[in-house]
Amino acid sequence: KAGVTQTPRYLIKTRGQQVTLSCSPISGHRSVSWYQQTPGQGLQFLFEYFSETQRNKGNFPGRFSGRQFSNSRSEMNVSTLELGDSALYLCASSLNRIGYGYTFGSGTRLTVV
Amino acid sequence: GQQVMQIPQYQHVQEGEDFTTYCNSSTTLSNIQWYKQRPGGHPVFLIQLVKSGEVKKQKRLTFQFGEAKKNSSLHITATQTTDVGTYFCLNTGNQFYFGTGTSLTVIP
Repeated sequence: KAGVTQTPRYLIKTRGQQVTLSCSPISGHRSVSWYQQTPGQGLQFLFEYFSETQRNKGNFPGRFSGRQFSNSRSEMNVSTLELGDSALYLCASSLNRIGYGYTFGSGTRLTVV
Repeated sequence: GQQVMQIPQYQHVQEGEDFTTYCNSSTTLSNIQWYKQRPGGHPVFLIQLVKSGEVKKQKRLTFQFGEAKKNSSLHITATQTTDVGTYFCLNTGNQFYFGTGTSLTVIP
């Protein structure tokens, strides 16, 4: 079956712009979580959605937001981009967080210039 | 917020040697998941530990959850070059906290 699909794979944006990243989970998976990965900070949790509801949120500023649609697809948005937002953004999906691991997508590499 | 410290940060071993990485927390962990990320790749789920003192094995990999649920470990017996990558633990509580990762290099 198809894995977790993230689009786009690469993105270059200018400081101050906003960006929307998309994630299509594995069919049947209702839990979607987002992570930021940088060499300096490692993997950091952004937020988790389950059945269109945000269940948990990490310690990121309000410029980072997300949502989940009825088909479990998810988007995350970053407004007023800063240079420090340059990172690999990973999305992962799971049937449910308890008892199941997360399947990660290949990520979106965002570069802010 | 909760931090999950992982040690060592880097480990170089000769092929055939054993390898262990540890995740430690000052507060009680909820559930621990372990992931492996190959260079240039994305994390791949290995196992989940839920119960205090739990031990699970996958071929040459042994996963443990501490009795107090404040630490967890991953042990690889007789490493192979295919074990190269970074190993992360993930605490799936109210927030998800990844360990800092251990990068494993296996020297043939």
